[in-house]
Amino acid sequence: DIQMTQSPSSLSASVGDRVTITCRASQSISSYLNWYQQKPGKAPNLLIYAASSLQSGVPSRFSGSGSGTDFTLTISSLQPEDFATYYCQQSYSTPRTFGQGTKLEI
Amino acid sequence: QVQLQESGPGLVKPSETLSLTCTVSGASISSYSWSWIRQPPGKGLEWIGYMYYSGSTNYNPSLKSRVTTSLDTSKNQLSLSLSPVTAADTAVYYCARDTDSGSLGYWGQGTLVTVSS
Repeated sequence: DIQMTQSPSSLSASVGDRVTITCRASQSISSYLNWYQQKPGKAPNLLIYAASSLQSGVPSRFSGSGSGTDFTLTISSLQPEDFATYYCQQSYSTPRTFGQGTKLEI
Repeated sequence: QVQLQESGPGLVKPSETLSLTCTVSGASISSYSWSWIRQPPGKGLEWIGYMYYSGSTNYNPSLKSRVTTSLDTSKNQLSLSLSPVTAADTAVYYCARDTDSGSLGYWGQGTLVTVSS
């Protein structure tokens, strides 16, 4: 199985901050990397697919980059509604695997 | 607009069978592939497996011996069975629709299943 490791596990930030979350794969996954946002009691919501493509309807302050084993999710200017848990997921091979999550707190 | 809705018993006894249904609206299950994912309370996400509209399946090896999925095209529903269950199977279970990139573009709201006697 491909292991996905996110860092940090938690992060404190303020409205307006620029935030970066990192995801590392245990082997190369090309650009088969997706990012999700999950708020308490809700299903995850797809933000970024194929490492850098913005899902329709997702604000442009979210961006993704990387390929191979190292990936980043950047939020350019944090908004109050962005405080949530973020997960990366590889879709290069099965079983699909997720990172452990990064909790973004105020 | 694509919508998914999971349903099924919220409580299952140990050693019995967990059975869930996912009703899809706004899209035909005769297209795309459809996934199941679960999340134990307070923990991260675990991929259970996916099923193509053709009926072919791909399951997580950690669950493969206990999982069965199926499609009912007449009702536009997916189903998941997990047997036998233990307390470790207590989780929120989600169904989701795959995209061409393998990402999960549409999710149900999830349903909590507790395994307890």
